[in-house]
Amino acid sequence: GEDVEQSLFLSVREGDSSVINCTYTDSSSTYLYWYKQEPGAGLQLLTYIFSNMDMKQDQRLTVLLNKKDKHLSLRIADTQTGDSAIYFCAESRIATDKLIFGTGTRLQVFP
Amino acid sequence: DTEVTQTPKHLVMGMTNKKSLKCEQHMGHRAMYWYKQKAKKPPELMFVYSYEKLSINESVPSRFSPECPNSSLLNLHLHALQPEDSALYLCASSQDSERGGLETQYFGPGTRLLVL
Repeated sequence: GEDVEQSLFLSVREGDSSVINCTYTDSSSTYLYWYKQEPGAGLQLLTYIFSNMDMKQDQRLTVLLNKKDKHLSLRIADTQTGDSAIYFCAESRIATDKLIFGTGTRLQVFP
Repeated sequence: DTEVTQTPKHLVMGMTNKKSLKCEQHMGHRAMYWYKQKAKKPPELMFVYSYEKLSINESVPSRFSPECPNSSLLNLHLHALQPEDSALYLCASSQDSERGGLETQYFGPGTRLLVL
C-alpha cells in the first residue's frame, strides 16, 4: 500500500534523547525527509537523507536509514521543551512528483 | 533564504463567498504546491505547478481553482466552499519537481480557513 507509518505519540523528559520512527513502503524512494510542525504553524524542514546513505547527523539530529527494512528514524539529542511538536516523515517516490507523508508523531517534552 | 510566505494567515468565509489564498517565494523555485491539512492529519497534496504549468491535480473539486501568474506566485481561488473544506492550506515550493535532490519542498506557514 501507500502508507507511511509512524507511532502516534512520544513523551520524553527534557534533556533525554527522543527517537521517532517511521516505516515506508516504496523501496525506490530517492529522498526521505523529516518535517516539524508546531501548533498552528506550517511544516519546517528539519533534515533529509538520500536513499543510498545509512546515517546523517546535523547538530542534535541524527537520521538513521535501514533500507532493507524500509525503516527511518530521527534521534533528537538533549530534547528541549521547544522540540514539542508533530514530526512527519516523508518519502519522495521516484515514480511520481509527490511527497508521501507519514501519519505524524506528536512529541511531548516534559520538564 | 528558504522562505515561503502565505496570505492571509486566517480566513473566515461563507459558502457563497469568493476568496483567494496567495503564496509567494523568491528562491527561484520552479515548482509550487498546494496542500490541504485537516487537524491531526498529514498534509494532502492538491495541486502541483511545474514551470508555471499545472502538472498534478489530485482530483480536487472545481470549487478550488489554482493559478500560477508567474514563477514566484501561486494563488488558490475559492468559490462555493463547504464547511468540510475548513482546514489549514499549505503552500510549498521546490527548486524543481524532478528528482535528483531538487524536489526538496519548503513550506509556508499556511492559511487557516474556516467555512461557515
